[in-house]
Amino acid sequence: EAEVAQSPRYKITEKSQAVAFWCDPISGHATLYWYRQILGQGPELLVQFQDESVVDDSQLPKDRFSAERLKGVDSTLKIQPAELGDSAMYLCASSLMEGWAEAFFGQGTRLTVV
Amino acid sequence: RKEVEQDPGPFNVPEGATVAFNCTYSNSASQSFFWYRQDCRKEPKLLMSVYSSGNEDGRFTAQLNRASQYISLLIRDSKLSDSATYLCVVNGDNDMRFGAGTRLTVKP
Repeated sequence: EAEVAQSPRYKITEKSQAVAFWCDPISGHATLYWYRQILGQGPELLVQFQDESVVDDSQLPKDRFSAERLKGVDSTLKIQPAELGDSAMYLCASSLMEGWAEAFFGQGTRLTVV
Repeated sequence: RKEVEQDPGPFNVPEGATVAFNCTYSNSASQSFFWYRQDCRKEPKLLMSVYSSGNEDGRFTAQLNRASQYISLLIRDSKLSDSATYLCVVNGDNDMRFGAGTRLTVKP
């Protein structure tokens, strides 16, 4: 069964350091989402790609977060510098098309900033 | 106002009980709706899509009320394995927005 791959699974970093997460969506899925989930809350959309284009990054803290999907396949989410409040689960999801199809999630990257 | 709001829970029910969750959404142009299930420290997984006519999958029934802008999930004959957080997902402007989730614990 096709899966969304994410790495690393766990990351501990010191505040003010840079950190990056990687996601490889299900093959053929044009839409890719990055979500952040704080314990006890629902996932919050950070950025959405359609192929290589950003279609929604309104909730992305652009002073420290960046995301790219250069070839419209895999994607990288970066935080620089990391802050204590960034500790959360970072989830990547993909879907066949925006709007209608369900999204499939990777196992996530659990980030702890110390 | 949040785009997607859910019953806060938690719901603690005995095995065999029937439990219902509601979710309201603010964007009247929303196109598609889903219920996801999330186990502790795991990723969300699709439970079922929600169609205008309502749909049923075994013990689970989902319904959509566009006029009142809410969706519901009914679980009949609850099992211990149903214990999880249930997330309401609404597609508004071609993005997928999640509710905060409702935590369900089914007890023996």
